[in-house]
Amino acid sequence: QTVVTQEPSFSVSPGGTVTLTCGLSSGSVSTNNHPSWYQQTPGQAPRTLIYNTNIRSSGVPDRFSGSILGNKGALTITGAQADDESDYYCVLYMGSGIWVFGGGTKLTVL
Amino acid sequence: EVQLVDTGGGLIQPGGSLRLSCAASGFIVSNKYMSWVRQAPGKGLEWVSIIYNTGSTYYADSVKGRFTISRDNSHNTLYLQMNSLGAEDTAVYYCANTFDYGFHSWGQGTLVTVSS
Repeated sequence: QTVVTQEPSFSVSPGGTVTLTCGLSSGSVSTNNHPSWYQQTPGQAPRTLIYNTNIRSSGVPDRFSGSILGNKGALTITGAQADDESDYYCVLYMGSGIWVFGGGTKLTVL
Repeated sequence: EVQLVDTGGGLIQPGGSLRLSCAASGFIVSNKYMSWVRQAPGKGLEWVSIIYNTGSTYYADSVKGRFTISRDNSHNTLYLQMNSLGAEDTAVYYCANTFDYGFHSWGQGTLVTVSS
């Protein structure tokens, strides 16, 4: 069974840079997995940040960027702000119509 | 403006059935890939199902054989028929427009609680 891995939690200082990753329990993430990233605050629907590896969704500030780093998908936030404190989820396309979300990363800005 | 409105959730007994709806505006559902994603209380997001513009459908192993995704072109609405519900299906269910390998324009979600 495919497991998509994310750091359970991460901390960043205001103004700092943080990179969250999205891996596979077995194998490497590539552009063929088309990683996408979502931000969610409690009680709210997810907000789309990045799709198809590195395309920013409409209205998302350019301090959010997506890439492949080594064998993982990555979301980098530069110049972190207090309202970036949220849960972040990645999802990977596994082929044959199947998608798998990671467990999410709780980002703290302090 | 693109908008999705999820409805149909509620309290249902184990073994029961429920149909969720996702009413779309601003685009034509039958022209798009559409997905359902759920989130159990206090847990992460879980992809549930997708329907392609061609009508092809795919499901997560956790719901295969129990859930059916469909759409009604005349009402521009996406559905999720859920049968043989168990406690593990308790979650907020979101529909999302799916294109260019991303989930977009999420609905507000509808809560399904499976409990006796």
